[in-house]
Amino acid sequence: GENVEQHPSTLSVQEGDSAVIKCTYSDSASNYFPWYKQELGKRPQLIIDIRSNVGEKKDQRIAVTLNKTAKHFSLHITETQPEDSAVYFCAAGDNTDKLIFGTGTRLQVFP
Amino acid sequence: EAQVTQNPRYLITVTGKKLTVTCSQNMNHEYMSWYRQDPGLGLRQIYYSMNVEVTDKGDVPEGYKVSRKEKRNFPLILESPSPNQTSLYFCASAWEGAGETQYFGPGTRLLVL
Repeated sequence: GENVEQHPSTLSVQEGDSAVIKCTYSDSASNYFPWYKQELGKRPQLIIDIRSNVGEKKDQRIAVTLNKTAKHFSLHITETQPEDSAVYFCAAGDNTDKLIFGTGTRLQVFP
Repeated sequence: EAQVTQNPRYLITVTGKKLTVTCSQNMNHEYMSWYRQDPGLGLRQIYYSMNVEVTDKGDVPEGYKVSRKEKRNFPLILESPSPNQTSLYFCASAWEGAGETQYFGPGTRLLVL
């Protein structure tokens, strides 16, 4: 079945620096790749997603890139702020309506 | 207010005592899903439902049951809970399927003694 690997598991950056989280997936049929942010004690919330017909998508300070050939996608956060501190999950899905999540990355942004 | 609700939010029970966690959404979403979240394992899908009376297994369905008799409700049933089902459970819904934004409930923290 589909497997999604996410790295790193923890990431610490200084405020203002960039952060990159990487995910790889195993099922070449996957065509939907969302990223969710989960603040401490809260529910996961979608921050950005990308579909297989697009290589890159940006929304202000966050961007996602997709390399279908290599089967990996990445989340990029620029000019990080303390409020970016959270756990981030990548996921991969296809038309079977199952969504497989990565194991999460705990991002800490130090002032 | 558009939302997904879960009840109870916290539950302590004993092995073998049947329990139900309710999930309700008021957005007329067709797709609903249950996940469990465990440290180091991320979110793992238990069951999902494409519409009323249509349910299917996710990656970790053992020990769980679901039903979808109404569009807005998708309860999770643990017939005989065991300690390895101690976890944080999230219900989620989306318009038509997993390939769209999923809206998560607030979570239910379950401890099985």
